[in-house]
Amino acid sequence: QKEVEQNSGPLSVPEGAIASLNCTYSDRGSQSFFWYRQYSGKSPELIMSIYSNGDKEDGRFTAQLNKASQYVSLLIRDSQPSDSATYLCAVDNAGNNRKLIWGLGTSLAVNP
Amino acid sequence: DTAVSQTPKYLVTQMGNDKSIKCEQNLGHDTMYWYKQDSKKFLKIMFSYNNKELIINETVPNRFSPKSPDKAHLNLHINSLELGDSAVYFCATSGLANSEQFFGPGTRLTVL
Repeated sequence: QKEVEQNSGPLSVPEGAIASLNCTYSDRGSQSFFWYRQYSGKSPELIMSIYSNGDKEDGRFTAQLNKASQYVSLLIRDSQPSDSATYLCAVDNAGNNRKLIWGLGTSLAVNP
Repeated sequence: DTAVSQTPKYLVTQMGNDKSIKCEQNLGHDTMYWYKQDSKKFLKIMFSYNNKELIINETVPNRFSPKSPDKAHLNLHINSLELGDSAVYFCATSGLANSEQFFGPGTRLTVL
């Protein structure tokens, strides 16, 4: 059974701090990795995609991928109350490249 | 101009009824998906169509039947609705293999 694991949280950080979200996956053949943000009552929204080992930065967000250790993380710098949401990690299924394997999500609360 | 749209947004119905949910996308993507997100927030893939061909058919009761009349539309028909069908149903699309998925706003189904 291919799996994606995330700490369900809640992760609570003060405003202005760095929030660090982690995700591990079981399929060594996975090539594509995504972070989605989901506000309560809304649909998942893509915030970062990463395909190569290392860091990828986009504004206050940095995705980090380590394929050897099979983990992908998301750092949110200068966290804002508006970042409070559930963050979903998704990884492609190497055996079916149209399918994503989803984590259960980490709930983030940024406190003013 | 909404990229992925779903109708209806809310659906409240009685047990035993039959209902349909519709999805339309204007992104020109080849692949469309149906997901179910229950109260525990787990995002579960149900079906996927690529160019009108069914490519993912997860373990879902056969009361659920997807139909894709063309590349831009994917519908979900549910027969004999049960209490456990209450959930939010999301439509999503993707372009290339191993690429990100984009979600519609969701349809909240409540079965009484």
